Amino acid sequence: DIQLTQSPSSLSAAVGDRVTITCQATEDINKYLNWYHQEPGKAPRLLIYDAFNLEPGVPSRFHGSGSGTDFTLTISSLQPEDLGTYFCQQYDDLPVFGPGTKVDLK
Amino acid sequence: QVQLVESGGGVVQPGKSVRLSCEASGFRFSSYAMHWVRQAPGKGLEWVAVILYDGSKQYYTDSVKGRFTISRDNDKNTLFLQMNGLRPDDTALYYCARDRGADAFDVWGRGTVVIVSS
Repeated sequence: DIQLTQSPSSLSAAVGDRVTITCQATEDINKYLNWYHQEPGKAPRLLIYDAFNLEPGVPSRFHGSGSGTDFTLTISSLQPEDLGTYFCQQYDDLPVFGPGTKVDLK
Repeated sequence: QVQLVESGGGVVQPGKSVRLSCEASGFRFSSYAMHWVRQAPGKGLEWVAVILYDGSKQYYTDSVKGRFTISRDNDKNTLFLQMNGLRPDDTALYYCARDRGADAFDVWGRGTVVIVSS
């Protein structure tokens, strides 16, 4: 089974900071990776699909990259509403989520 | 507007059963595969099951195979999750989610809580 790891598991950043989260798969998953953001107490929201495509309505400060086994989500300028947990999810096989990266304000 | 509303959760004893429902509105339900995803308290997301748009195929995560059954009624725009043989580690917030293609979950409900406890 394909598994995902994320790093870091948590981070603290200031408003305006550039934030980078990585997701690594145990096997080559091509571009079959999505990213979600979950604010506390809310359902997840799809941000990025197919590794780098921005979901309609998602701010352009979010950027996805990577293919194969290594992927990155970058927030170019962190905003207060970006706090919460970010999950990657692969769909090369049955869906699997990464363990999440919690982002809070420094 | 596009919406998913889950119901049916509650407190249930180990070994017992519960049936979750997810009512869809604002889109053509019969055109989309649908998923259940759960989140244990303070934990991450765990994919549970998927059913194709026409109900022809279902797939499950290993931990629920043989215990949970996903189904749908396209005439009533409703997704179901029959959960049998419940265990304490099934305790979670259960979300239904729309698959808009390639397992991208673009619409989520607010979830319904299942607590398995004696």
